[in-house]
Amino acid sequence: QVQLVESGAEVKKPGTSVKVSCKASGYTFTSYYIHWVRQAPGQGLEWMGIINPSAGSTTYAQKFQGRVTMTRDTSMSTVYMELSSLRSEDTAVYYCAREGWGGKPFDYWGQGSLVTVSS
Amino acid sequence: DIVMTQSPDSLAVSLGERATINCKSSQSVLNSSNFKNYLAWYQQKPGQPPKLLIYWATTRESGVPDRFSGSGSVTDFTLTISSLQAEDVAVYYCQQYYTTPQTFGQGTKVEIK
Repeated sequence: QVQLVESGAEVKKPGTSVKVSCKASGYTFTSYYIHWVRQAPGQGLEWMGIINPSAGSTTYAQKFQGRVTMTRDTSMSTVYMELSSLRSEDTAVYYCAREGWGGKPFDYWGQGSLVTVSS
Repeated sequence: DIVMTQSPDSLAVSLGERATINCKSSQSVLNSSNFKNYLAWYQQKPGQPPKLLIYWATTRESGVPDRFSGSGSVTDFTLTISSLQAEDVAVYYCQQYYTTPQTFGQGTKVEIK
């Protein structure tokens, strides 16, 4: 069965970086794009960007340009999202989500990884 | 960016009654080359990731009960729960995936009256 398993919760100081991992299983890793979506406490969903696990190509939301980097390790079937220059407003649950076949939207999601930014 | 606006922000419906959630996009999400509306609906329960319910505005995801249905086109869309069940208490989000950045509505909280 398809699974996306994310890394555990992290507490970070303002100005530092965090790297969240998302390990895929149950399907051909390189055949499906992965998106990252975040959700601040009690708030809605915010799209951050997309990575093509096959080519490694990425597209980021303009809001995060220059601060976010999405990468992948095909040998580990894992994608990574690194966010730098953290501030308190980056406190959120970060989700990875698989884009379905033929442009279908997010059919599988990771469990979420809570990142807390606090001094 | 395409702005997605849902209404209402919350609603309380009696068990077995109909619940209707609206979603309006600031621009068309209809692709004229394939006649598909790039509009999805998700359900999110506390402490869980969102779950895909509807995509292409009207296509129900596998395993989703048929009491959930989607309608609409171009800029105006609706999610209907025909007979509300206790397990449907959740926040519902619409999403446009027509263009990047993909954007979500602010969410509609559905409760039992």
